[in-house]
Amino acid sequence: DAKTTQPNSMESNEEEPVHLPCNHSTISGTDYIHWYRQLPSQGPEYVIHGLTSNVNNRMASLAIAEDRKSSTLILHRATLRDAAVYYCILSQNYGGSQGNLIFGKGTKLSVKP
Amino acid sequence: ETGVTQTPRHLVMGMTNKKSLKCEQHLGHNAMYWYKQSAKKPLELMFVYNFKEQTENNSVPSRFSPECPNSSHLFLHLHTLQPEDSALYLCASSQEDTRVYEQYFGPGTRLTVT
Repeated sequence: DAKTTQPNSMESNEEEPVHLPCNHSTISGTDYIHWYRQLPSQGPEYVIHGLTSNVNNRMASLAIAEDRKSSTLILHRATLRDAAVYYCILSQNYGGSQGNLIFGKGTKLSVKP
Repeated sequence: ETGVTQTPRHLVMGMTNKKSLKCEQHLGHNAMYWYKQSAKKPLELMFVYNFKEQTENNSVPSRFSPECPNSSHLFLHLHTLQPEDSALYLCASSQEDTRVYEQYFGPGTRLTVT
């Protein structure tokens, strides 16, 4: 299974941008980069995913390095509700076992008022 | 509210009890999953069902028995559990035949085995 490396924890101030890094040096050509987050006492929720190009949605932006060996999840203005564990996951984007999500330990983001 | 509900939200059971966890998805998805999240450990995939057929069993002990009677419902039957089985059990669903492989998770059942 392709693996990812994330910092254990990060801190941010409210209303400031947050850049959450993820290294995935063994990524294969067909691996998509997915981000999920898990708020306290809740199940994980999908944030964003991408393959090669940078992606934007209403929750966040995903910046993918040209060699695809790293990526960064960008929260443009952190709020207290963004405090969560963020998971960076590589997955083939189709069914079968290669499409399963393998969660690591993620990055615990704390947001200070 | 993700469209995936789980009941009960909390469960305390003895090692000799038999109980069941229930998951229901209201999203029209055709794949459902059980995950286990123990304290200080990453989420572990337990079972995967695609179109009601079990396609993954990640070496889960037989004291955990899944059942998927239709594409909207998933059960996890529990019997003779051990204290180390205490964990948050999460259910998820996804649409298998779309380009976006996005899973929707329920809130989980917090299980304590005494």
